[in-house]
Amino acid sequence: EAGVAQSPRYKIIEKRQSVAFWCNPISGHATLYWYQQILGQGPKLLIQFQNNGVVDDSQLPKDRFSAERLKGVDSTLKIQPAKLEDSAVYLCASSLRFSLAGELFFGEGSRLTVL
Amino acid sequence: DAKTTQPPSMDCAEGRAANLPCNHSTISGNEYVYWYRQIHSQGPQYIIHGLKNNETNEMASLIITEDRKSSTLILPHATLRDTAVYYCIVKTGANSKLTFGKGITLSVRP
Repeated sequence: EAGVAQSPRYKIIEKRQSVAFWCNPISGHATLYWYQQILGQGPKLLIQFQNNGVVDDSQLPKDRFSAERLKGVDSTLKIQPAKLEDSAVYLCASSLRFSLAGELFFGEGSRLTVL
Repeated sequence: DAKTTQPPSMDCAEGRAANLPCNHSTISGNEYVYWYRQIHSQGPQYIIHGLKNNETNEMASLIITEDRKSSTLILPHATLRDTAVYYCIVKTGANSKLTFGKGITLSVRP
């Protein structure tokens, strides 16, 4: 079974530029999550989708971050404009259905460096 | 969701059992204990979860105390590949999010 796919694996940009990350969850997984992991810390949930609807985006900095999950499959996370403190690994995860929300499958992440 | 407390780090010898402790003294009756691990440069990986009873799977065993205020993740025969950050997380059922702390760094030495 294919895992959660993310791209790009690495991205370096200058502050105030924009960046987009893509995630393809495991086939059939209805719930998709974006987490931000700053070096030395545990992952922090940014946004959670159930199919193509947003369940929780309370910790998403909406002035600069946006995410969408069109058609309830792939998802894109965008940052515009980026700040130095956005340097982190962005992890995408999926779960089979909402009732199994504790058993997440994570991708390898996209590492962002903002200079 | 209840907060968890884990030591920052521990080590064990390869081939020996690794016992990773977690304190969750404010856990409520409907909250589950989850364990994940994160190997360097990879995403977190689900290990096991439990509510009251001890649980075992192919990766590990989870021992939850009778009062549910603490738990221990046991890796029965640690290998070098088990070196990782291990996260103990308490959450309610379907509608609460998975909140990661800093975890415990396990170093398995040859």
